[in-house]
Amino acid sequence: AQSVAQPEDQVNVAEGNPLTVKCTYSVSGNPYLFWYVQYPNRGLQFLLKYITGDNLVKGSYGFEAEFNKSQTSFHLKKPSALVSDSALYFCAVRGTGGSYIPTFGRGTSLIVHP
Amino acid sequence: EPEVTQTPSHQVTQMGQEVILRCVPISNHLYFYWYRQILGQKVEFLVSFYNNEISEKSEIFDDQFSVERPDGSNFTLKIRSTKLEDSAMYFCASGGDSQETQYFGPGTRLLVL
Repeated sequence: AQSVAQPEDQVNVAEGNPLTVKCTYSVSGNPYLFWYVQYPNRGLQFLLKYITGDNLVKGSYGFEAEFNKSQTSFHLKKPSALVSDSALYFCAVRGTGGSYIPTFGRGTSLIVHP
Repeated sequence: EPEVTQTPSHQVTQMGQEVILRCVPISNHLYFYWYRQILGQKVEFLVSFYNNEISEKSEIFDDQFSVERPDGSNFTLKIRSTKLEDSAMYFCASGGDSQETQYFGPGTRLLVL
């Protein structure tokens, strides 16, 4: 069975500082990994994905994520946080065999302070 | 930019009543999904739909649930007899390819009293 862990319920960072939102996963076979962001009263918006290729994936709004196979991690990063980045972030994983349905993490609330 | 839309944004219903949640997926997408998110919990997969039939469903998607694509644009989720524990945010999603990104709607917040 596939699973995702987002170990932090909340991450606080000052505007202008780098941010990291952590995600680890478990899946059979090679993973497809996704990050979504959810702003208040909005649906999940796709940020970026890793399918294959370079371990560093660049996505929307200046976010990037690094796939680390040995640590089974896919942490989301941004070099300089903005107050407008404050939102709920979800990591998701699916395997490459059998079901195409992703499993989501519980979400991490990112709060960027001015 | 095309997006998935959902109606209503909020619905309050009495236990035992039927509800229909509506979604308009992105127009050229062929794969459709429903998820739910109980307050403070994970986003949970309910069902996927392709070529006018269910392709996968979770244990949550029991006989009380059904999905339909009544015309070329809408995708609906029906709950026949709502229970208190059905209270959640329900998200519709669509994708152009089963293996790629799913695009989510803004959700319908369902409250069962």
